Amino acid sequence: DAMVIQNPRYQVTQFGKPVTLSCSQTLNHNVMYWYQQKSSQAPKLLFHYYDKDFNNEADTPDNFQSRRPNTSFCFLDIRSPGLGDTAMYLCATSRDPGGPGEAFFGQGTRLTVV
Amino acid sequence: QKEVEQNSGPLSVPEGAIASLNCTYSDRVSQSFFWYRQYSGKSPELIMSIYSNGDKEDGRFTAQLNKASQYVSLLIRDSQPSDSATYLCAVNRGGNQGGKLIFGQGTELSVKP
Repeated sequence: DAMVIQNPRYQVTQFGKPVTLSCSQTLNHNVMYWYQQKSSQAPKLLFHYYDKDFNNEADTPDNFQSRRPNTSFCFLDIRSPGLGDTAMYLCATSRDPGGPGEAFFGQGTRLTVV
Repeated sequence: QKEVEQNSGPLSVPEGAIASLNCTYSDRVSQSFFWYRQYSGKSPELIMSIYSNGDKEDGRFTAQLNKASQYVSLLIRDSQPSDSATYLCAVNRGGNQGGKLIFGQGTELSVKP
């Protein structure tokens, strides 16, 4: 019954080694979000898609990229991870803007950069 | 000024008491308001949504919205130890491009048996 699935759940990567996190959804939602959450902090919006339209937050580092090849899948690419990128990465989906905007989260990927 | 602000806590209440969590937001055009519960190491779980001024009740939870004051609150009645978690307030401006869901830093709630 899982509706938003993130893989992997845990990822350890070396400093500077590219890493890709994935998110899939069975809800057929138009909007997909990527958040970064560091320990004891609020989830921080990195970017979101409305269908194929990409919306980047102004303070998201260029090191972070995203792809959405179809409605169901979305990827977060970190081109050269630094130690400060160690965090939980959360994917969420919601219906189109005419809807209430409730967002549903996947289980998250806990990324550790060593 | 942060877009969404909450007291970080921790807020400690005895079992059976009412827990009151508060949130303010800065953008007056915000349309949708949510409360999420997050257990340590887990992802946020939606527990309440509210869109118009007034109160909305769901079981032991009541959300309150006052758009004029840009204020949202969550009351938890008959608090249980299992309610111990971080509660995140989130605000969505709506509009085109799916809107933008922004979170407060969360309030840590501890319910003591």
